[in-house]
Amino acid sequence: EVQLVESGGTLVQPGGSLRLSCTTSGFSFSDHWMDWVRQAPGKGLELVGRIKLRAQNYITQYAASVKGRFTISRDDSKNSVYLQMNSLKTEDTALYYCADVGAPGDLWGQGTLVTVSS
Amino acid sequence: DIVMTQSPLSLPVTLGQPASISCRSDQSLVLSDGTIYLSWFQQRPGQSPRRLIYKVSNRDSGVPDRFSGSGSGSDFTLKISRVEAEDVGVYYCMQAAHWPDTFGQGTKLEIK
Repeated sequence: EVQLVESGGTLVQPGGSLRLSCTTSGFSFSDHWMDWVRQAPGKGLELVGRIKLRAQNYITQYAASVKGRFTISRDDSKNSVYLQMNSLKTEDTALYYCADVGAPGDLWGQGTLVTVSS
Repeated sequence: DIVMTQSPLSLPVTLGQPASISCRSDQSLVLSDGTIYLSWFQQRPGQSPRRLIYKVSNRDSGVPDRFSGSGSGSDFTLKISRVEAEDVGVYYCMQAAHWPDTFGQGTKLEIK
């Protein structure tokens, strides 16, 4: 059974930092690009960033809205992907999903909620 | 970034009737090899999104054949031939031709 489980979401003050984790099982993790997608309350989907494969030197790409503040990493030995979020803003408040948006099947987690508020 | 525009944003449909959602991009999504990376996702209430259609018209495994995708260039359509109760939710188109992959605003399908 394919599983992607995000964790680490919580309430954080503006300017603060947070690290999200996504632990996966049931599929060949190291063969998949991994994405972080966020959904602000009642809003649509935004692809925050992507990390590619070892063979592609783990290239990362980011949306302009988070570039320079967010960093994606992965540990293929642990089938896990991470999102380090720094200098958080109120507009970063959202449910954060890890996913492979380009993959067949349901390669999406259930999300972890990040609330940025004072 | 490529802007994806969906219409309508709200779609009330009678059970058993067809439904159609339009998605337009502000740039062509056709790559040099002719591939078009346009997908459709369904997000049921309280659930994560799941992909239904990829490369314009290919259904993912397990997706009922009442769902179909079509289009070319910058104009795409998702059709549901006969809406069922389980189809309630929000539908998003997404382009992956140019980074960052971008989604439409979403179309909320509800039963009349």
